[in-house]
Amino acid sequence: DVKVTQSSRYLVKRTGEKVFLECVQDMDHENMFWYRQDPGLGLRLIYFSYDVKMKEKGDIPEGYSVSREKKERFSLILESASTNQTSMYLCASSLCPGQGSMNTEAFFGQGTRLTVV
Amino acid sequence: KNEVEQSPQNLTAQEGEFITINCSYSVGISALHWLQQHPGGGIVSLFMLSSGKKKHGRLIATINIQEKHSSLHITASHPRDSAVYICAGPLNRDDKIIFGKGTRLHILP
Repeated sequence: DVKVTQSSRYLVKRTGEKVFLECVQDMDHENMFWYRQDPGLGLRLIYFSYDVKMKEKGDIPEGYSVSREKKERFSLILESASTNQTSMYLCASSLCPGQGSMNTEAFFGQGTRLTVV
Repeated sequence: KNEVEQSPQNLTAQEGEFITINCSYSVGISALHWLQQHPGGGIVSLFMLSSGKKKHGRLIATINIQEKHSSLHITASHPRDSAVYICAGPLNRDDKIIFGKGTRLHILP
């Protein structure tokens, strides 16, 4: 019954490595989001996508990029991981209003705890 | 000012107590979610509300759309309820999901 799947629960990477965090949803949602969660700061939006090949910067996009080649998959890329990117990363997806839904229900992945050493 | 405010930030209670966590928002949200995050970090969606009240086991969630306020209640609380509870909602204006900063709940045996 899992609807939003993040590829890893825990990940340890070295400084400078290129890191891919993958998120897959099976609900044919248009919207997909990547957030990071840090103590005292809560969840902050990194990037989001309204459709395939479309992406928009969120509040803290620096040091990240994203890829949405297929509707079901939204990848977060750390081009050169740094220790300040050690965090919990959360993926979410939702329908656009107008896709037959009056109320936009969101679905959330389990989160990926990334440690950069 | 945060668009979503939760209170309290931290709550410690004895096993069996009735727990209330509040969420107020200042923007148009199409639906409000309550999420639970356990110490391991995994996040689970508890409820999605757009009106009224929902109940699941010992958990009850209510929402007042006019007042832009939602509450999560836990009856007969248990140490396994210890977690961070987060409210969240997709914005009407652009579908972005905004989150409260969470309420850390600790139930003592």
